[in-house]
Amino acid sequence: KAGVTQTPRYLIKTRGQQVTLSCSPISGHRSVSWYQQTPGQGLQFLFEYFSETQRNKGNFPGRFSGRQFSNSRSEMNVSTLELGDSALYLCASSLGGGSPLHFGNGTRLTVT
Amino acid sequence: DQQVKQNSPSLSVQEGRISILNCDYTNSMFDYFLWYKKYPAEGPTFLISISSIKDKNEDGRFTVFLNKSAKHLSLHIVPSQPGDSAVYFCAASEGYSTLTFGKGTMLLVSP
Repeated sequence: KAGVTQTPRYLIKTRGQQVTLSCSPISGHRSVSWYQQTPGQGLQFLFEYFSETQRNKGNFPGRFSGRQFSNSRSEMNVSTLELGDSALYLCASSLGGGSPLHFGNGTRLTVT
Repeated sequence: DQQVKQNSPSLSVQEGRISILNCDYTNSMFDYFLWYKKYPAEGPTFLISISSIKDKNEDGRFTVFLNKSAKHLSLHIVPSQPGDSAVYFCAASEGYSTLTFGKGTMLLVSP
């Protein structure tokens, strides 16, 4: 079974631009979560989607948004990029109901 | 406010010895705890979990201990192997809701 796939792996953007990251969950997984990892901050929860509905949202500004499609694939968008948005963005999928999260290898975003 | 704390940023252990990684939490509503391992350039991988109805869970070389009164959990790896060198994240949730992660502990196992 294929794992969680995130594209692209690396991205370099300029301040003020916007970016869209993509995530394909494990087949059959309907829950998709997004996390931001920065040095010294661990994994910070961004949002979770289940069956195309946002179920939870972390403490991030409105510049961070996401969506989930009917095939469970998910995208997250960051508008008006800031230098502090440079991070590893991780997507995770699960069956829900307490089953563990399965993470992709992440998208490394660098904002210059 | 950091609800899940891993106070040791790094830990060095010799091959064959025990590695003990610690985690403290402040939210008394947390009742489900997990450990993830992360290698560079890869996403975190689920290692082991424990619910609050238990105080110990074992899986091969990995054992997680939960002390609810102290709001403390630990991961024991015995024996440690060089391939265990990675960053270990502790995570917790209330029921099956969103996971809250600690900042991680980098484990280095030397031959």
